[in-house]
Amino acid sequence: GENVEQHPSTLSVQEGDSAVIKCTYSDSASNYFPWYKQELGKGPQLIIDIRSNVGEKKDQRIAVTLNKTAKHFSLHITETQPEDSAVYFCAASPFMYSGGGADGLTFGKGTHLIIQP
Amino acid sequence: DSGVTQTPKHLITATGQRVTLRCSPRSGDLSVYWYQQSLDQGLQFLIQYYNGEERAKGNILERFSAQQFPDLHSELNLSSLELGDSALYFCASSVADDSPLHFGNGTRLTVT
Repeated sequence: GENVEQHPSTLSVQEGDSAVIKCTYSDSASNYFPWYKQELGKGPQLIIDIRSNVGEKKDQRIAVTLNKTAKHFSLHITETQPEDSAVYFCAASPFMYSGGGADGLTFGKGTHLIIQP
Repeated sequence: DSGVTQTPKHLITATGQRVTLRCSPRSGDLSVYWYQQSLDQGLQFLIQYYNGEERAKGNILERFSAQQFPDLHSELNLSSLELGDSALYFCASSVADDSPLHFGNGTRLTVT
């Protein structure tokens, strides 16, 4: 099955700086890569996703890049703000147009992002 | 607010007992997914239902079962509970297989 590795497990940045979280996946058949943000006491919330026919996607301060050859994808947050503090999860799925599919999403172990004032 | 409702928020029970977790998906969503989140294993896919039928099975133990009812709400039944079953259980829903998942706020299960 799919295996998703996520780094770092904890990331501390100064407010206003950029943050980058990286994930690698093992199954070359994976085609859908969402990112979720989880705040304390809440469920994961989808913040951005990318499919394998696209190399980069941007939404305001958030961007995701995908390198299918190297089997890795990254989340970039620019101009970080205190409300960006949370745990971020990457995930992968073999289905091009699926939010889950037969095996569900395979998640990384999460990155605790801390924004220092 | 994702629109996915899970009850109860917290559940404390003893080993050997049985509990039922409930999930109401977002209005219009036909697919329901159950995930388990623990500190050491992260988020693990358990099972998916689509419009009342089991669609996919992940790392779900035989002691666990689920169903989706005609009104599309779903229940996850956990029996013969062990200490290791203590975790956060999340329900997610989506319109169909080609749409993103939306998660509820979870049920925290503590087995003592």
